[in-house]
Amino acid sequence: GENVEQHPSTLSVQEGDSAVIKCTYSDSASNYFPWYKQELGKRPQLIIDIRSNVGEKKDQRIAVTLNKTAKHFSLHITETQPEDSAVYFCAAPSYSGSARQLTFGSGTQLTVLP
Amino acid sequence: GAGVSQSPSNKVTEKGKDVELRCDPISGHTALYWYRQSLGQGLEFLIYFQGNSAPDKSGLPSDRFSAERTGGSVSTLTIQRTQQEDSAVYLCASSLAGTSGSSYEQYFGPGTRLTVT
Repeated sequence: GENVEQHPSTLSVQEGDSAVIKCTYSDSASNYFPWYKQELGKRPQLIIDIRSNVGEKKDQRIAVTLNKTAKHFSLHITETQPEDSAVYFCAAPSYSGSARQLTFGSGTQLTVLP
Repeated sequence: GAGVSQSPSNKVTEKGKDVELRCDPISGHTALYWYRQSLGQGLEFLIYFQGNSAPDKSGLPSDRFSAERTGGSVSTLTIQRTQQEDSAVYLCASSLAGTSGSSYEQYFGPGTRLTVT
């Protein structure tokens, strides 16, 4: 099965600075890598994802990069704002027989200091 | 359209009692997942249903936990003889779970906060 490791577990940045969260995965067949954001007391929500046929994807202040050779992918948040404070989870697909599911990383608590 | 819904939103129960948690997935989503999230922790996978296939129960922590999905839609997670360590938020998610990458996207419900006293 898939093994996803996420670092760091906590990250504090000053407002306006950039934040980077990294994940590694084990299954070279994985082809889809989403990032979820979970604000305090709320449900996780997809913020960006990337497929294995591209190396980078951007959406305004958020970007994700993928290195298939090294089997790692990263979330980049630029010009951070207080509302970016949340827990971020990476994920990668895993296969259990014919079933497909996502294996989640352990999460990163991002705090943006005003 | 309507998202994933869960009920109840909060449940307080006494140790040793049984509880049932309900999840209504997005209409048309064939895959349904249950996760457990303890305070400040990550998403612990419990069980996965995909269409009419046998569920993947590999994440259930003990035989006190069980789940069913009737008619390929609504799912119920049952915890028997609850223990204090069962206290957590139980999240349900659904997805299209087809062959393309985008169908892996999981839409989460608001969760049920379970407190065992």
